[in-house]
Amino acid sequence: QVQLQESGPGLVKPSETLSLSCAVSGYSISSGFYWGWIRQPPGKGLECIGSIYHSGRTYYNPSLKSRVTISVDTSRNQFSLKLSSVTAADTAVYYCARHFRAAAGPLDYWGQGTLVTVSS
Amino acid sequence: DIQMTQSPSALSASVGDRVTITCRASQSISSYLNWYQQKPGKAPKLLIYAASSLQSGVPSRFSGSGSGTDFTLTISSLQPEDFATYYCQQSNSSPSTFGQGTRLEIK
Repeated sequence: QVQLQESGPGLVKPSETLSLSCAVSGYSISSGFYWGWIRQPPGKGLECIGSIYHSGRTYYNPSLKSRVTISVDTSRNQFSLKLSSVTAADTAVYYCARHFRAAAGPLDYWGQGTLVTVSS
Repeated sequence: DIQMTQSPSALSASVGDRVTITCRASQSISSYLNWYQQKPGKAPKLLIYAASSLQSGVPSRFSGSGSGTDFTLTISSLQPEDFATYYCQQSNSSPSTFGQGTRLEIK
């Protein structure tokens, strides 16, 4: 059973960097698939932030590309998200998930999500 | 980016009803369309991928159809656990984009 678990601070100050990690169990990231980050502002819809392959190849949403870095650590079977220069508009539930079929493919396994609030 | 538009935004229905939700893409996405169900406080759950393929473990009352720009999700006979918000997602090109969601409520 594939499981994903997000971790990281729930509160980030404006202009600082949001950092989250996603630990994967039940499947080795090195075996394949793209692994992505998706966010959902409170009461709103879903937005793909970007995804990464075990080789390190990444795809980023152009609207966030200048502020986003996604990295992978295959030895720890986890991948991470950094979002810089955050504002209140970045307050959201952040999910990690597995894309199957392609970098932007269907998301078949999801973490439970973690709420990150941007506030001073 | 490809824009995805769902209709209706909200829908009231009764247990046993047949329900259809529509998703339209701003350009052709072939059959690269997926459907998700999300309940409050939970992560989305994949129901349908590639427009009409049922994800493993999803009840057969859920079905999807369409290609190009117009797609539908149909629930043949609503069950109490189906009341939730439904999202479509295009996976034709990066960045993948979602519709705004359809909230399915109990009448």
